[in-house]
Amino acid sequence: EAQVTQNPRYLITVTGKKLTVTCSQNMNHEYMSWYRQDPGLGLRQIYYSMNVEVTDKGDVPEGYKVSRKEKRNFPLILESPSPNQTSLYFCASSLWAGNTGELFFGEGSRLTVL
Amino acid sequence: GQNIDQPTEMTATEGAIVQINCTYQTSGFNGLFWYQQHAGEAPTFLSYNVLDGLEEKGRFSSFLSRSKGYSYLLLKELQMKDSASYLCAVRESGGATNKLIFGTGTLLAVQP
Repeated sequence: EAQVTQNPRYLITVTGKKLTVTCSQNMNHEYMSWYRQDPGLGLRQIYYSMNVEVTDKGDVPEGYKVSRKEKRNFPLILESPSPNQTSLYFCASSLWAGNTGELFFGEGSRLTVL
Repeated sequence: GQNIDQPTEMTATEGAIVQINCTYQTSGFNGLFWYQQHAGEAPTFLSYNVLDGLEEKGRFSSFLSRSKGYSYLLLKELQMKDSASYLCAVRESGGATNKLIFGTGTLLAVQP
């Protein structure tokens, strides 16, 4: 089954404790991206990757890091989480160029930072 | 700047038709998407418009007017399961970035 898988789905952590949210897709998509969703603000892009070893900042990259060592994986790293990073996070992937570029989303990771 | 506007909430009756509007002002345009998102779940793709006109897909249709910066999503024969948030998103430019700018979503409640 074609899918984007995120882990963990739910996490409660404390300020400053490094964490990683993993994202994996099995559709051989070149493009992957992380979004956060907050009430009243909609989905905002954090980082994106056009292919292996190619990443770039989205609209709200502060406090986050990413890496793309393999095509299928795109982990989101919070080196020192703060309460303002409490949010619902979505990983998404798509083919690039030559088609609609429809984004396929993972099921989301709800993060609470105390 | 970037701005995508859609109503915050709408209510409709089962079996009826509802139209959800979206207006946008972006620095570029390379396609408009509609996504459906049920509470606590991931957004799922509904439709894509890049040229002016109407795209129909079953009970769902989406319209685009690029000159007016306007789109709507039309849902026919509403069912209870259509209760969800509907997200309008614009892709600003072509190439590899595939960056989508999302509106805040319209929460649709379908009543019996």
